[in-house]
Amino acid sequence: DARVTQTPRHKVTEMGQEVTMRCQPILGHNTVFWYRQTMMQGLELLAYFRNRAPLDDSGMPKDRFSAEMPDATLATLKIQPSEPRDSAVYFCASGFGQGAGELFFGEGSRLTVL
Amino acid sequence: AQSVTQPDIHITVSEGASLELRCNYSYGATPYLFWYVQSPGQGLQLLLKYFSGDTLVQGIKGFEAEFKRSQSSFNLRKPSVHWSDAAEYFCAVGVANFGNEKLTFGTGTRLTIIP
Repeated sequence: DARVTQTPRHKVTEMGQEVTMRCQPILGHNTVFWYRQTMMQGLELLAYFRNRAPLDDSGMPKDRFSAEMPDATLATLKIQPSEPRDSAVYFCASGFGQGAGELFFGEGSRLTVL
Repeated sequence: AQSVTQPDIHITVSEGASLELRCNYSYGATPYLFWYVQSPGQGLQLLLKYFSGDTLVQGIKGFEAEFKRSQSSFNLRKPSVHWSDAAEYFCAVGVANFGNEKLTFGTGTRLTIIP
């Protein structure tokens, strides 16, 4: 059963610490998305990649957030330094195809920054 | 830029009753439209999608949605809800351009089922 895998599922950290979230997309998918979900803002697109190349990271605070795809099986989202306002659930999703297609979501990484 | 409006934040329905969740979109060309469901503590799962053709689309779990271009709507329906349908439902729109896979999500509608 193919699925998007995210780690860690839960992370509690203190303000100023570095946080790295990892995502393994479904094998064969060529697009990977990072979304952030909060009660106030809903689902926000942070960044996305096609064929490992970053296409759009306009939704991401550039001074502290970075997203990479070191290889086709791994996407990372890093926050350094973390702040309490970064507390949210971060979702990774992957997809394949031309134009807007179906996205497959991971179960999310719940981040709490104290 | 495209946008999605889900006017109902929270809906409560009795088990066995019919359901309709509203979604309105704004986009200048032919949109790709989706409904996703999110159970507590889980990621989003696709219920159904509309790309072209028949404006009434069937999805999983007995859901259907109808695309109405004149009303810029894509409402989700189910004739008889089950307690397991309690979840958050998101409508999303994507642009129908090659290579642009971004989806814009609505703010969601939380569905509560009462006995």
